[in-house]
Amino acid sequence: QVQLKESGPGLVQPSETLSLTCTVSGFSLTSYSVSWVRQPSGKGPEWMGRMWYDGDTAYNSALKSRLSISRDTSKNQVFLKMNSLQTDDTGTYYCTRDPYYGGVMDAWGQGASVTVSS
Amino acid sequence: DVVLTQSPATLSVTPGERISLSCRASESVDTYLHWYQQKPNESPRLLIKYASQSISGIPSRFSGSGSGTDFTLSINGVELEDLSIYYCQQGNSLPDTFGAGTKLELK
Repeated sequence: QVQLKESGPGLVQPSETLSLTCTVSGFSLTSYSVSWVRQPSGKGPEWMGRMWYDGDTAYNSALKSRLSISRDTSKNQVFLKMNSLQTDDTGTYYCTRDPYYGGVMDAWGQGASVTVSS
Repeated sequence: DVVLTQSPATLSVTPGERISLSCRASESVDTYLHWYQQKPNESPRLLIKYASQSISGIPSRFSGSGSGTDFTLSINGVELEDLSIYYCQQGNSLPDTFGAGTKLELK
């Protein structure tokens, strides 16, 4: 059974760094890519970046200067780090499984709610 | 970045009717266009991939069509459980982008 689960702090101070972990099961990170997608409350999703199955990464240019995605295949985990957080970074952060070329996201985690506030 | 424009923003529906939702891309995305359903307080769920390919476990009343810049998601016989927000997403060129969504509500 394919599962993804995001974990991390629910509250982050402005200007601080967000660190999230996506723990996956039911598939291998060396066979499937994983994306991070965020969604402000009441708005559409925004693709943040992708850890390709071969270890390469791709980032949304709007976030690239602040964002880093990495992985530990032995622990079945993908990590997101984003610095210089502001209040408009508040929202739900999802990791997704991307099984094919062309951006298909066929499984989503439950989401991690992140609030940026002092 | 490719901009996806979804219309209408909100659609009032009656159970049993056939409806169509539109997604228009600012440039061609070939058939790298996917549809998702999101119910309140849930994660999005993949409905249709590559514009028209069905997904295992998704009811057959959902279908997709289109290529290039114009795409349609159709629901043949809307059911109450379909009252959700529907998003299109393109993966033809980075960054992947999503539309703003179409919300289905009960008439």
